[in-house]
Formats: sequence, C-alpha cells, structure tokens
Amino acid sequence: DTEVTQTPKHLVMGMTNKKSLKCEQHMGHRAMYWYKQKAKKPPELMFVYSYEKLSINESVPSRFSPECPNSSLLNLHLHALQPEDSALYLCASKGPQGVLVKAFFGQGTRLTVV
Amino acid sequence: GIQVEQSPPDLILQEGANSTLRCNFSDSVNNLQWFHQNPWGQLINLFYIPSGTKQNGRLSATTVATERYSLLYISSSQTTDSGVYFCAPGPETSGSRLTFGEGTQLTVNP
Repeated sequence: DTEVTQTPKHLVMGMTNKKSLKCEQHMGHRAMYWYKQKAKKPPELMFVYSYEKLSINESVPSRFSPECPNSSLLNLHLHALQPEDSALYLCASKGPQGVLVKAFFGQGTRLTVV
Repeated sequence: GIQVEQSPPDLILQEGANSTLRCNFSDSVNNLQWFHQNPWGQLINLFYIPSGTKQNGRLSATTVATERYSLLYISSSQTTDSGVYFCAPGPETSGSRLTFGEGTQLTVNP
C-alpha cells in the first residue's frame, strides 16, 4: 500500500476558526512532511518530522502548529489564519535513509480562509 | 540551500511527440526525485534517481550527479501526460528537505 491519506480534501474556515488537517500513512515511513502550495508555484516546505520529532521548521508562523502523535499520523493545527494562507496543503512521507527514499504525497487539502 | 533550475518552463506538444525536460541543481546531491502533478493537484512520484538511468514505460530519467543535472524523457506523449513536472533534489538523510524546482508546465494536445 503506497498511499498517503489526507483529510479533509476541502476546507473553508473563517479567520477566527480553529481547524486541523490530518495525514496518515501505513508504509512504515519515518519522515513526514507538510508542504504549502500556491497556484502555479512549486510546493514549499513547511515542516519535517523525523522519527516523530520535529526536525525542520521553515520559519512558519505560529498560527500553523504541527503535531506527530505517532509514526503513522501527522496533523497540522490551524488557528487565526489569514486569507493569504489559502492554498493547497500537501503531506508527504518518505522512508529512512538507505532503505526507501522515494517520497509519496497525499492528494492535499484545498484550504480557503474567508 | 540547493538551487534548482528547470527548463523549459512551459512546453506544448502534439500527441505522439517526444520531449526532454531538464533539471539543474547547484550542490552535490544523492537523492533526486521527479514528480508529475496532475491538474487535480495530486503529486505522483515518477522516479527516485540520484544517479544513472531508469525507465518506466514511456518515461525515462537520467541523472549525472557529477555534472549536477537530471533529464526526464517523455516519449510518444499522451494527453494524460499534461500537468506540471517537478524535480526535487536533496541530500539522502531521513527527514531531509525535498526542494522543488519551479517546474515545467506540459500541455499535450490531441
């Protein structure tokens, strides 16, 4: 099973709302990623978790809060977002070094902040 | 960080034509991946190719790590090949960055 599952697929939220994006994989991968993608732009890295520990935070504003409860799950908690945060949010996972380094992406969550 | 340059930025083909997409990168890498993003946003991993040549059906890829470039070949293109092609080089460590180039927007017309 080479699948990364993201929920929800679409989300509309107000600037005062709190919501969460979820990502799940069952490939035994130990690196998980959050990316943000604006229209006609490449994905931009936000966070990387390696062995359930946050290893990279690309200076993302604190209104985005990642969480990795276990090796299969990755969450992105959203609070007090701005309209410019509207984008496609992509989750990816990748195996450990030397074992399997092909990265797999979920279908993404299309977020609209109103 | 690694600088990634992809060319051409846009490519329009007739169905059945062949094409070559190029990815140049600024630093030594031992992890390079090619992705296809379809019009619905799904990123599909085409190749993990830190060096050498691989083929998968009508697609093949070659990476010359010593010269810091990778090529993606698409033969006998089909309309379903349309979308954006990204290369993403990076160091081979768990939890490493995958830094995407700006992509090549491919349109295949029937």
